[in-house]
Amino acid sequence: QGQLVQSGTEVKKPGASVRVSCKASGYTFTRYGITWVRQAPGQGLEWMGWISVNNGKTNYAQKLQGRVTMTTDTSTSTAYMELRSLRSDDTAVYYCARVAGSTSEFDYWGQGTLVTVSS
Amino acid sequence: SYELTQPPSVSVSPGQTASITCSGDKLGDKYACWYQQKPGQSPLLVMYQDVKRPSGIPERFSGSNSGNTATLTISGTQAMDEADYYCQAWDSSTMIFGGGTKLTVL
Repeated sequence: QGQLVQSGTEVKKPGASVRVSCKASGYTFTRYGITWVRQAPGQGLEWMGWISVNNGKTNYAQKLQGRVTMTTDTSTSTAYMELRSLRSDDTAVYYCARVAGSTSEFDYWGQGTLVTVSS
Repeated sequence: SYELTQPPSVSVSPGQTASITCSGDKLGDKYACWYQQKPGQSPLLVMYQDVKRPSGIPERFSGSNSGNTATLTISGTQAMDEADYYCQAWDSSTMIFGGGTKLTVL
């Protein structure tokens, strides 16, 4: 059974950057992609993008292009998401999830990381 | 840009059948999947490739997708099924979520 464990709560000031980690276990890390999804308080799910762990190829949501970077460290089976130039509307719970199957559904999810952006 | 539309809320009595719809242009030409999210929890995949249930998801959950509408059906709805449900589909390498439907079991 796969498991994804994320880093802890972050509080940042506007204009700062945040990096959230997502450590995978229980499966071969390089055989699946990792996606990132966020959820603002009381709101729905918003897809941020995904990274192919096998070759490092990324695909970001157009809305976040230029502010987000997704990377992986295969030596530690850890994925990272960095978001720059933070604004108050970036306040959200950030989830990582495993991208599985030929139709790329998200079958395992991390527990979520709350990022609060406030002056 | 591509959009998926869900009703904000659906109510069902215990033991009855709940149907949650997800509408998008020619959605039937894509694969849809569904996630369940309970308060304070991470989303859980409950349906993928329109009609497939992941291991551990009860048989009372079923799915369909045709034309412009995908549907998640819960037969014999139980109190534990009360949650938010999100549909999802890929469009030109972009992943789209529906706005979510709050299922109330009362």
